[in-house]
Amino acid sequence: EIVLTQSPGTLSLSPGERATLSCRASQSVSSRYLAWYQQKPGQAPRLLIYGASSRATGIPDRFGGSGSGTDFTLTISRLEAEDFAVYYCQQYGSSPQTFGQGTKVEIK
Amino acid sequence: EVQLVESGGGLVQPGGSLRLSCAASGFTFSSYGMSWVRQAPGKGLEWVSGISGSGGSTDYADSVKGRFTISRDSSKNTLYLQMNSLSAADTAVYYCAKGQTTSSSLIRYDYWGQGTLVTVSS
Repeated sequence: EIVLTQSPGTLSLSPGERATLSCRASQSVSSRYLAWYQQKPGQAPRLLIYGASSRATGIPDRFGGSGSGTDFTLTISRLEAEDFAVYYCQQYGSSPQTFGQGTKVEIK
Repeated sequence: EVQLVESGGGLVQPGGSLRLSCAASGFTFSSYGMSWVRQAPGKGLEWVSGISGSGGSTDYADSVKGRFTISRDSSKNTLYLQMNSLSAADTAVYYCAKGQTTSSSLIRYDYWGQGTLVTVSS
């Protein structure tokens, strides 16, 4: 099973700042089958990024994904009020699919 | 508009059973793999089980294999999860999620329901 480790656990930033979230896999993620989700309190997750770097439908271009192999990054170029949430990475290239433990982006 | 509406959660005693349902609308149900993903209180996401668009292929996390059964009824556009031999470790919000392909397990999810809470306690 591929273990995904996200860092940091919590990121304290101000609106307008840049957020950089990391997702490291215990083994190489095949074909960049890596996705990112956003979850707000009391809500279901929302797909942001798939294939490591492709934005899902309707996702603003301030969200960007990069990486390959075992190291992946989600970047939010300029944080807006609605971006403060928990972010999860998911690998869907090897069975079983797995999720990271999440990174909380909070208002500083 | 795609909608996924879960039901069937509630309080159940250890060792008990429960069946979750997920009513789907707004897309061709039989064309997409579907999964159940759970989230224990204050914790992260855990994939539980998946089923292919045709229903012919299913997959389970080791933690639920042999206890949970996933199924789908395309005539009713409904996904199910039969859960048996429940324990406290199964306490979580259970989300129904729509895959972006027809596969049963190695998929990403573009739509999620709002979840149904399952609490296992005496």
